This record gives sequence, C-alpha cells and structure tokens, in this order.
Amino acid sequence: QKEVEQNSGPLSVPEGAIASLNCTYSDRVSQSFFWYRQYSGKSPELIMSIYSNGDKEDGRFTAQLNKASQYVSLLIRDSQPSDSATYLCAVYGGSQGNLIFGKGTKLSVKP
Amino acid sequence: EPEVTQTPSHQVTQMGQEVILRCVPISNHLYFYWYRQILGQKVEFLVSFYNNEISEKSEIFDDQFSVERPDGSNFTLKIRSTKLEDSAMYFCASSAQEGPNEKLFFGSGTQLSVL
Repeated sequence: QKEVEQNSGPLSVPEGAIASLNCTYSDRVSQSFFWYRQYSGKSPELIMSIYSNGDKEDGRFTAQLNKASQYVSLLIRDSQPSDSATYLCAVYGGSQGNLIFGKGTKLSVKP
Repeated sequence: EPEVTQTPSHQVTQMGQEVILRCVPISNHLYFYWYRQILGQKVEFLVSFYNNEISEKSEIFDDQFSVERPDGSNFTLKIRSTKLEDSAMYFCASSAQEGPNEKLFFGSGTQLSVL
C-alpha cells in the first residue's frame, strides 16, 4: 500500500517569513511528485511538480526532492496571508491519473 | 485558463437513491478522472477513463459506481444505491495526455450529502 505522509499542522508563520512544508512517501520507485494548494471547500490547485532530485524554483515557491530519503518539501518565501490554505503532497501512483495524496498540511500566515 | 466544470455544486440525497454527478472536462483533453474527499480526509483516486473505457479503478470504485461519457462533452459518475459513507466531495479531473508528469486539472467539486 503506497502511502504519503504529511504533518497535518497547523503550521503558523508570520507574514514575510519562509514556510517549510514536508512530505514523505513509502514507494521507493515513485518518480513524479506534486504540490497542490487547497483552500477550504475548494478543489486542489497544482502549484509545483518535481521529478528529479534537487531543487526546483517557481517564483516564491521552491520544491525539493530527495529520492534517497523519500522526502519532498515545499518552501514558500515571503509568505502572504493569501497563502493560508492546506497544502497537499501527491505522488504518482503508477497508473494513469492515479495520484496518491497526503492528508495535507494546513498553513496559516498571520499578518 | 480553461477549466473543468462540475454540476451540481451540492447534491443531497436519501440513502439508497441513485445519484449522477456531472462533469464537463476541458475540451481538448482525452483522459478523465474522478476523485473523492471525505471531510477531513485525504483526496482519494476513484477511477480513470480514456477512449470510452475505464483505464484504472481503485478499491473504492466497487459495483455501485459507474462512469460514462454519454456525449462528446460530458463525463458522469453514477452511484447506484447511495450509502451514508458515500458522503464526500467528488472531484472530476482531466488531462491532455497520459504519463506520470501530466498535469491534472480539477473541477470545483460536487458536495454529496447522503441522509
């Protein structure tokens, strides 16, 4: 059974700070990793995808992947109150469209 | 940006009744999916659909569930005899291509409440 684990939080950071969100996964052969943002009662929205070890930056967001440690993280720089949401880590489950999601980390950015 | 649309946004039904949840995927997309999220729980994969056939389904997608593309634009999820535990947010998603790196576009969801 493939699993994706996240700390449910809540993670509270002040406005302007760096928020660090972490995720571990159980299947060593997983190859594609995604971070989704989900506002309360809304659908998941893709923020970042990462497939290779190392860092990938997109604006204020940086995804980090370490396949040896089976660990994915998301850094949000200059956090804004509008970043307050639940962040879902997802791993490609090995068959078409089958994403395995973590339970999500709730982020709260305080003004 | 093109989007996946779902109707209705909320559906209330009595246990044992049939429900049909409707989705209009992005027009040039070929791969369609249903996911569900029980309140406070993980988003869970239900089924993938391509070329008028189910490609993959999870253990959740039992005989009570079916999917259909009745015409060139709609994609539906039918629950034949709803149970209390079917209460969840149901998300439709679509993608243009197949493959592990392909982006899934999610609809805004249908909140199903089974009483």
